[in-house]
Amino acid sequence: GQNIDQPTEMTATEGAIVQINCTYQTSGFNGLFWYQQHAGEAPTFLSYNVLDGLEEKGRFSSFLSRSKGYSYLLLKELQMKDSASYLCAVFDSNYQLVWGAGTKLIIKP
Amino acid sequence: EAQVTQNPRYLITVTGKKLTVTCSQNMNHEYMSWYRQDPGLGLRQIYYSMNVEVTDKGDVPEGYKVSRKEKRNFPLILESPSPNQTSLYFCASSFGDRHTGELFFGEGSRLTVL
Repeated sequence: GQNIDQPTEMTATEGAIVQINCTYQTSGFNGLFWYQQHAGEAPTFLSYNVLDGLEEKGRFSSFLSRSKGYSYLLLKELQMKDSASYLCAVFDSNYQLVWGAGTKLIIKP
Repeated sequence: EAQVTQNPRYLITVTGKKLTVTCSQNMNHEYMSWYRQDPGLGLRQIYYSMNVEVTDKGDVPEGYKVSRKEKRNFPLILESPSPNQTSLYFCASSFGDRHTGELFFGEGSRLTVL
């Protein structure tokens, strides 16, 4: 079966750095995505990785290791508005998205 | 403004009463999809469509129907809703038949079936 694992919940402090991990086991791999979802709202696209390495976009960075089936999302200089769920999703061999259950990130002042 | 529009946003209905959730996108996207989201389970795909008149089952299609008669519209039909279909539903769209993965989501439709 296909599986994506993320921590259910994480807590961090405003101004700090947090790393949200995602491990995957899928039938094939054609890219990994991170989405942000605020409570009661729609998910919004954050990043896409298809090659190994780190992709930086402002305060957010995403890392991929295909050999390890592993990715992380790094959020720097945390702000209260970063309190949200972060969803990891993988494109399998059929270009179907397999979704993780999401990580709820709580930011404390 | 580029957007995906779903209606209704909130609905309470009773078991067995047919309902339709509409979805419309104004970005000329070929790919459209319906998801349901339940606590602890993440997003689960119900149906998707690669283009007009082309629809396929996702992971949880039972109890749902869809149609794609026009490129912009992709309604979700619950012929005989049951309480286990109480959920938050999202419509999403993207470019291309092998879509890039950057899905554009509607605001969601929260459905309660009594």
